[in-house]
Amino acid sequence: DGGITQSPKYLFRKEGQNVTLSCEQNLNHDAMYWYRQDPGQGLRLIYYSQIVNDFQKGDIAEGYSVSREKKESFPLTVTSAQKNPTAFYLCASKDNRDNGYTFGSGTRLTVV
Amino acid sequence: QKEVEQNSGPLSVPEGAIASLNCTYSDRGSQSFFWYRQYSGKSPELIMFIYSNGDKEDGRFTAQLNKASQYVSLLIRDSQPSDSATYLCAVNPSGNTGKLIFGQGTTLQVKP
Repeated sequence: DGGITQSPKYLFRKEGQNVTLSCEQNLNHDAMYWYRQDPGQGLRLIYYSQIVNDFQKGDIAEGYSVSREKKESFPLTVTSAQKNPTAFYLCASKDNRDNGYTFGSGTRLTVV
Repeated sequence: QKEVEQNSGPLSVPEGAIASLNCTYSDRGSQSFFWYRQYSGKSPELIMFIYSNGDKEDGRFTAQLNKASQYVSLLIRDSQPSDSATYLCAVNPSGNTGKLIFGQGTTLQVKP
């Protein structure tokens, strides 16, 4: 079955540590997105990529980095510069039609 | 700043009633509109999308769009306890970037 796979489901980060969240899709979608969701809030865009080897900052890119070396993969690194990283991270993809996103199951990141 | 506004709720309705969820948006040139359902701890799931003024029906769900008033709504008929979730409104703004802007969501509680 086609879909988006995010891993790990839960991730614990120590202060000052970089961590990488994985996002892989087999839907043949060109565009991929990373959103962050905090309790009681909507989704805020971190980074997005509309094509391989290209990506743009979203509204809250500071403290995060991404790469898009393959169409299927869009990993997100949460760096030590991100001061409040505890949140639910969602990866999404879409094809070139205007029919919304397909979301992965999410990664819940907690700073310990 | 392009914005999408929703009443956070909770909206409580009895089982079998009609639930009405509302969303307003600031960008008059917005192209398309989406409703996602999100169960607690899970990722959003697309349930409806609408592009044109008027109503669009799919089973127990009806999306309504009024571009002049910059207003989109979701009606759920014969509400069931399994409909209890947070409903996110998302808008594809002008510029056709593919980046959806999300509201903060409305929590719906359907009581048996």
